[in-house]
Formats: sequence, C-alpha cells, structure tokens
Amino acid sequence: SYVLTQPPSVSVAPGQTARMTCGGNNIGSNSVHWYQQKPGQAPVVVVYDNFDRPSGIPERFSGSNSGHTATLTISRVEVGDEADYYCQVWDSGSDHPDVVFGGGTKLTVL
Amino acid sequence: EVQLVQSGAEVKKPGESLSISCKGSGYSFTNYWIAWVRQMPGKGLEWMGSVYPGDSDTKYSPSFQGQVTVSADKSVSTAYLQWRSLKASDSAIYYCARHEDRFDPWGQGTLVTVSS
Repeated sequence: SYVLTQPPSVSVAPGQTARMTCGGNNIGSNSVHWYQQKPGQAPVVVVYDNFDRPSGIPERFSGSNSGHTATLTISRVEVGDEADYYCQVWDSGSDHPDVVFGGGTKLTVL
Repeated sequence: EVQLVQSGAEVKKPGESLSISCKGSGYSFTNYWIAWVRQMPGKGLEWMGSVYPGDSDTKYSPSFQGQVTVSADKSVSTAYLQWRSLKASDSAIYYCARHEDRFDPWGQGTLVTVSS
C-alpha cells in the first residue's frame, strides 16, 4: 500500500518560515491535502489539492507538490500555528483504492 | 453552514456492541461521502471507511474491513460506525468527515473507551 512519510517534528521561531514535507512515491501525480490539528480539537484542512486554501485560512499557508515530495509552507509563523500537521492523498492507483494519511509532523514554535 | 455533529462519548466493556453517529446539516447529505477516521491516544489519523448516503455504497480500508461497519440513513441525514464486539484496543477518538477526496469539514469527534 502507498506510504506517506512526514518528519515527526519541526521547530521554528516566531516570524520565521516553517516547511513541512510529505514524501511518497511519485506523489507529484496525486492531489495532496494538508490538515492542522491543535490539541483537543478536530483536524481542519488548511491546504487542499496541493496548493488551494479554504476560505478563512491565512495566505501565510501555502502548498506545493512535485516529484516525490509535497511541502506545506507556513510563512511568518505565529505561536497559534503550533499544532500537528498531516498530509493526505487518495491512492486510486492500487488494486484497492485507499485513503492514506502521513504520520504527522508536530510543529513547535519556539 | 456545513456541519457534522457526532454523538457523545461512550464507555463500554470488551465484547459489547456499539454504534456511534454523525449527523450532517447545511448541505445535501445524499451527495457526499462520509468518512470515519480513528485517532488512537497520542497517535495519528487512520481512515477506516466511507459511506455514500445516496445509495449506501461503502468502501473500507483493508486494515478495518470486517472489523467495523459503516452505514447511513439518509432520511435523518446521519451516518453510523458500528462494532459487534469491542476490544480494549478500540479505545480511541473517532471522527467523521465529509469526504470528497479531501476531508472537510470534520465532526467534533467521539471518544470511545473500552475497559473491563
């Protein structure tokens, strides 16, 4: 089955740029979605279809996807951005189509 | 406003059955898949399965096939996740989410605790 690999943790100072990666075999051919989950809350989509943002999500959140790596970038990081971030794809290429989540990255704002 | 509201927390014993629910509002419930996602304590997100309320079509993750049942009653705009015989390892938070490739929005989550 398809596997998405995320680094367990990323740390950044307020005002800096955080980049979180999501690796997968030829992930560039998939649509990647990113979710933010704060402690005790349900996940919220922050980027969908690789780079689109839902209404209400700040422009500081952006996404890219090419080759074997998708990236979620948060510019001008704020303390309130501290959360777990998950990538997700719909693996329709296998014999058994499957939704796949990455293991998640914990963003710490120092 | 599109909204999914889940049933409340449950405490069960091993071997008991359970059904939790997810009620949709603010959109045409029959036209979108509803997914169920498990989050074990301190762990990540795992897709379990999805149901299409329009015709009750279902799809399951291989990891959960045969372990749970997903269903929907379009007359009350509600999706369900059911267990026949719970295990302690089923203790987790379960989320529903409207599923159209991406998952959006999500329900608030239902905490299930299975303990003797």
